[in-house]
Order: sequence, then C-alpha cells, then structure tokens
Amino acid sequence: GIQVEQSPPDLILQEGANSTLRCNFSDSVNNLQWFHQNPWGQLINLFYIPSGTKQNGRLSATTVATERYSLLYISSSQTTDSGVYFCAVVSSGTYKYIFGTGTRLKVLA
Amino acid sequence: NAGVMQNPRHLVRRRGQEARLRCSPMKGHSHVYWYRQLPEEGLKFMVYLQKENIIDESGMPKERFSAEFPKEGPSILRIQQVVRGDSAAYFCASSPPGIAGGDTQYFGPGTRLTVL
Repeated sequence: GIQVEQSPPDLILQEGANSTLRCNFSDSVNNLQWFHQNPWGQLINLFYIPSGTKQNGRLSATTVATERYSLLYISSSQTTDSGVYFCAVVSSGTYKYIFGTGTRLKVLA
Repeated sequence: NAGVMQNPRHLVRRRGQEARLRCSPMKGHSHVYWYRQLPEEGLKFMVYLQKENIIDESGMPKERFSAEFPKEGPSILRIQQVVRGDSAAYFCASSPPGIAGGDTQYFGPGTRLTVL
C-alpha cells in the first residue's frame, strides 16, 4: 500500500519563527489533507489540497502531486500552534485516508 | 450546518464490558468512516459504511468489533468484551454522497476510550 512519510518528526521553535513541514507519499493520490491535532486531542482540518497551493492566514500549503510531496508552511508561529501535524492521503482508486506518523511541534514563548 | 458529532467524548469501561461509540455524520453525508488512534500514533482506518451497508471493514479486528450505519440514526461502533489494548481515541469521519474518496472527509472530535 501507499506509504506516507512526514518530516521532521519533532520540531521546537521560538515564538515568531517560521517552519516548513514536509509530507512525502509513494503513489498517486486523489486527496490530501493536513490536520492539526491540538494538545487536547482534537483533530482540526487545515487544508484539503490534492494539488496546488492554498493559504489561510499564517498557514499555507503546497502539493506537487507529480513529485509526490506536500509542504505545510507556518509563519510567525504562536504557542497555540503546538501539537501534532498530520498529513493524510487517499490513494487513487481507494477511499480510506492513510495518515503519516506526524510532526510534533512545540512553540516556546 | 453542524459538524460530525460523536458521543460520548470520553468512555471508561472495565475489562470484559461492552463499549458503544456513536457517530452522527454531517447533514446530507451518506459515507461514514471509523479510524482508531493508539497513543503516540497516527490514525488508522477501521471501517467504511454507507447507509445499511458495510463497504470495507478490512481495518477492523475480526473479533469483538462490529459497526453499523442504520437507515435511521447514528453509526455505531461496538466493541465487545473490551481489553486494555482497546484503549484509544476513535474518530469518525463523513463525506457527501458521490464517488468515495473523491471528496473531503470531515472528522468528528473523537471518543476517548479507557479500559481499566
């Protein structure tokens, strides 16, 4: 089955810093979503982005489907950005999301 | 438009008891998916249902676990004779009618099951 790898696995930032999270996948995909799981366990949908670029405030994401990767950019990070960021993909011809192992982000005040 | 609803949010059971987890999809959605998240891991697919039909249960353990999505009412994930290894967060997601996999899945807040 399709493999989803995220990097880095852990990231510690000072408040105000920028960061880039990466998601590599091993096969063509129909869908790709980025999620933020906050420290209370709630899963927040950030972007639905099977291809192209989207922006929402301090966050933006780019998926290059032909090269099988997606990037999540966080600018001017805040302590509330702390948590785990997951990339999840739906392989072409299927419907179930396959989640990456996540990037654990901690933003220090 | 209310999002995906799950209840209870937290559930504590003793070993050997039954756990019932409920999921109400978003209005107009007819596809329901269940995922399980073990501590410190990502979510893993369990089962995909449409109204009154199980489409794919390949991710669900063969014993003690069952799921349904009746014509009326919420989808239910049922775990019989729970064991400590069943302790996890269980997330439900829904998507609108159409080609499965061709649209965003909207996730609920999850049910955190603790087995004592």
